[in-house]
Amino acid sequence: EAQVTQNPRYLITVTGKKLTVTCSQNMNHEYMSWYRQDPGLGLRQIYYSMNVEVTDKGDVPEGYKVSRKEKRNFPLILESPSPNQTSLYFCASSHFPGLGSADTQYFGPGTRLTVL
Amino acid sequence: ILNVEQSPQSLHVQEGDSTNFTCSFPSSNFYALHWYRWETAKSPEALFVMTLNGDEKKKGRISATLNTKEGYSYLYIKGSQPEDSATYLCAFINFGNEKLTFGTGTRLTIIP
Repeated sequence: EAQVTQNPRYLITVTGKKLTVTCSQNMNHEYMSWYRQDPGLGLRQIYYSMNVEVTDKGDVPEGYKVSRKEKRNFPLILESPSPNQTSLYFCASSHFPGLGSADTQYFGPGTRLTVL
Repeated sequence: ILNVEQSPQSLHVQEGDSTNFTCSFPSSNFYALHWYRWETAKSPEALFVMTLNGDEKKKGRISATLNTKEGYSYLYIKGSQPEDSATYLCAFINFGNEKLTFGTGTRLTIIP
């Protein structure tokens, strides 16, 4: 079954304790991205990757890191989480045919993160 | 940051009625517009990808139109059913930029 998986689905942590949210897709997609969803603000892109070893900042990258060592995985790293990073996070993937992505994004199930 | 606006923010519609809502986006350097449907406690799911001015897409009772020159897209739902209750998101990509910019969504509630 074609899917995007994220782990963990729920996480409560404390300020400053490093954490990683994993994302994996089995569709051989080139393009992967991370979003955060906050009430009234819509989905905002944190980072995206066009292929292995190629990552770029989205609209709200501060406080986050990513890596793309393998095509299927795109982990989101919070080196020193703060309460303003409490949010619902989605990973997504799609094919990436050239300059822009006309392919739809396939979204993971979401990770609800609370930073105390 | 590109500005993508959706209106209205929320909408209550009687079951059986038809409805529509709007996504506005920058008209310059247009590449593609996506529509997604997002049910509560689930992930967004793709409805349409639209790339050409004048595009019309249809999926069952849901259809969408695109005007890239004036920078808007309409989503129509014909004969609303309770299962249509969801938030509908649009996302814009401009040419040469790989980022998707989402609107804040239109939250649709169908009243039985």
